[in-house]
Amino acid sequence: GESVGLHLPTLSVQEGDNSIINCAYSNSASDYFIWYKQESGKGPQFIIDIRSNMDKRQGQRVTVLLNKTVKHLSLQIAATQPGDSAVYFCAEYGQNFVFGPGTRLSVLP
Amino acid sequence: EPEVTQTPSHQVTQMGQEVILRCVPISNHLYFYWYRQILGQKVEFLVSFYNNEISEKSEIFDDQFSVERPDGSNFTLKIRSTKLEDSAMYFCASTSGNGGTSQYFGPGTRLTVL
Repeated sequence: GESVGLHLPTLSVQEGDNSIINCAYSNSASDYFIWYKQESGKGPQFIIDIRSNMDKRQGQRVTVLLNKTVKHLSLQIAATQPGDSAVYFCAEYGQNFVFGPGTRLSVLP
Repeated sequence: EPEVTQTPSHQVTQMGQEVILRCVPISNHLYFYWYRQILGQKVEFLVSFYNNEISEKSEIFDDQFSVERPDGSNFTLKIRSTKLEDSAMYFCASTSGNGGTSQYFGPGTRLTVL
């Protein structure tokens, strides 16, 4: 469901470990999905995208998995680095882009 | 690398005043968007624009809002009579294609309505 307010889910990981960030989307007709990274005071930064005819896509250190059956999207970050600390959110596209509330990733030294 | 730019970075205005937020999308992009993000909340769609007209708009985008592409490079969002609840970050974004292509955001304009 939706999460409104100041309190984002937080994921804390040790530097060098893998991170998995999850997103539940709402529209079964959505056919395109994007993961964004947003650092404090900055605009969302495109990380990786996936179309609904795929279930996995890999980029540099990142992998997106799509499970259409349960309307679930995940972002895996390999060998997490301090610079990965940010809020990550997914966006789904059906008729327009709809954004999730985000997860705050904190990378511990 | 091409990027979306926005000016000003921060705009402070009095309630009831008009503001114009400016964006320069990536030069070969054809679809333009405005989004709003209230502090601590998720990004919300306002409006999409293609071929010099609005393609889609959300419930937030009421008669107080308007968009314009006055020349070949700028894309503006005007709020005619600002309200306190209009205080937010406003992001411009652009894409080369409609919907199913990667969308690139500008750094945002922080609007503060007093």
